[in-house]
This record gives sequence, structure tokens and C-alpha cells, in this order.
Amino acid sequence: DQQVKQNSPSLSVQEGRISILNCDYTNSMFDYFLWYKKYPAEGPTFLISISSIKDKNEDGRFTVFLNKSAKHLSLHIVPSQPGDSAVYFCAARRGGADGLTFGKGTHLIIQP
Amino acid sequence: GAVVSQHPSRVICKSGTSVKIECRSLDFQATTMFWYRQFPKQSLMLMATSNEGSKATYEQGVEKDKFLINHASLTLSTLTVTSAHPEDSSFYICSASGLADHTQYFGPGTRLTVL
Repeated sequence: DQQVKQNSPSLSVQEGRISILNCDYTNSMFDYFLWYKKYPAEGPTFLISISSIKDKNEDGRFTVFLNKSAKHLSLHIVPSQPGDSAVYFCAARRGGADGLTFGKGTHLIIQP
Repeated sequence: GAVVSQHPSRVICKSGTSVKIECRSLDFQATTMFWYRQFPKQSLMLMATSNEGSKATYEQGVEKDKFLINHASLTLSTLTVTSAHPEDSSFYICSASGLADHTQYFGPGTRLTVL
């Protein structure tokens, strides 16, 4: 049972445009959500997170939006840069000391 | 930022042998460390959670006698894959948290290949 879903295996975006990566979850007990960027054969790199009590968090080019009623979150990257090409994982957890539940990832490709 | 290291980065072993993987938090004290596994084209799956000085908590389906976890200090956790078999070949990644917001910072991973 996939509790965190990233339905787009890949996404291609032109350099300079906005990249929007989507994530849905089913477990209403999740209270904290994170986005990670990952290259092959490397560990995930933390990008940005959001608590369930907020609906938006912004850090530079990255903004995460949370819609609790729809159990949906999205990561916006603007403007997209070639170095953003990677696999992006959405993750969620139930409590502060809990492990993370990951989605399957979306491969973002930024085209020049 | 928070740095987590893993050693070794890559290991190849024969079936039936045991392999130890180390995970270290380099610039912070990790009250909790996590071990994940990622099979090709799959997501990261949580295997176990370990708190310093106590027994690890394993996820359903993960054999605690096969995957031995030791978290002896606030900066070091080890995962030992005992009697490894080819189906244990995978990418093992640790993470550590200990900062105020419990954000998990990941190590670079260890590629295990069992022949």
C-alpha cells in the first residue's frame, strides 16, 4: 500500500521555466513533509520541508505548498536551472522521531 | 549543514559472509539514526530506527537477526548484514536526526553486491 504517491515518473521542463512536482498521500497521521533531491548512487539531499500546520514554505527558488484537505503537496522550482536535473522524492512522517515514508520519485529533466 | 558519512561506499562479498556498514554524523549529535534500503528503480524503504543506547525498532518484514544494528554513540550507528545472500544486494542508506526540527540528513549510501 503506497502511502506517499508521486504519479509522474518523469517531468521535462525548459530552463528558466517553473517546475512543479506533485505528491499525494493517504495517511492522515502524517504531520511533516519533506522534499529530497537525489542523484544516482548518492544519498538524498534535503531541500525543503513543511509542517502540517502550514500551507506554504519558501526557501529561495523552492516553494512547497500543502493542501491538507486534498492530501496533496507540490514543490515549485523557479526558475529551473540545468543543475536541478535529478530525481526528486517526496517524503512524509507521522511524528518527530519516526522514519520517513517515501514516494517513488520523479525524474526532473531541465532542458536548455 | 549537517553532514552524514557512510563507509564503505561500495562492497562486494561472497554469499554467506557478513558485511558491516558504518554511519557517522560528523558535525552534530544524532539522537536517532535510520537505515533505509533502495532497490533499483524503487523508492527508499525504511528498515529500522535506532536510538543511541537502546535496541533498534525494525519495520515489518525486516529480519532483526539478519540486519544487526548497533547505535553505541551519538555519532555512530552500524548495520551488519549477516550471512548475506544475493537477494540482499541493494543500496543501503542511513540518515541521522538530532536537530530541533528532526529533519533527517542522509549519508551517501553503500552499494552492496553479494555474489
